[in-house]
Amino acid sequence: GESVGLHLPTLSVQEGDNSIINCAYSNSASDYFIWYKQESGKGPQFIIDIRSNMDKRQGQRVTVLLNKTVKHLSLQIAATQPGDSAVYFCAEKAQTGFQKLVFGTGTRLLVSP
Amino acid sequence: DTGVSQNPRHKITKRGQNVTFRCDPISEHNRLYWYRQTLGQGPEFLTYFQNEAQLEKSRLLSDRFSAERPKGSFSTLEIQRTEQGDSAMYLCASSLESGNQPQHFGDGTRLSIL
Repeated sequence: GESVGLHLPTLSVQEGDNSIINCAYSNSASDYFIWYKQESGKGPQFIIDIRSNMDKRQGQRVTVLLNKTVKHLSLQIAATQPGDSAVYFCAEKAQTGFQKLVFGTGTRLLVSP
Repeated sequence: DTGVSQNPRHKITKRGQNVTFRCDPISEHNRLYWYRQTLGQGPEFLTYFQNEAQLEKSRLLSDRFSAERPKGSFSTLEIQRTEQGDSAMYLCASSLESGNQPQHFGDGTRLSIL
């Protein structure tokens, strides 16, 4: 399949480890944030979202943390599996009342068995 | 599977030709979005519809690009007089209408300009 990103920051972990993927966002007025997973040849797949009035949200094996003070977002994946290998993007909805998402630079996660 | 459907998956055409892509959103979703993604980059917003109304357009959407959603269901994106720089993955997404809702993406149409 084709490569989604050729020169992306890469995080390499062993199967079973916890992974933390970080993202810095640009707009202090952003009110909504989303993490997506993108596998080669496919569109971005929704993982988890968080609104700006929260600082933590948990899903199945994933946790998103939001630090508005330093405009930082992180995605934690527990017990990482080979199927988690993909490119991960954070996205922000930068303006209230508008629906445009602004995507960050992706991070490639490589999980070794 | 009732996810977002895009056709065709791949399109190869010569420079100067017109191309049209189709997107069928998730059936109960009133909002529909088009993005473009080039290799090594995240998706970039092009335009957004709520039902049949086109409410947001990016400056990336030059006058060679036109998007329609005539009945508030499927949408088409047309590129006229294609250029080499139009080569990219064109992604469609849809979402529910109320408040902040996650956008769900299709698998895109890969456009290659010869």
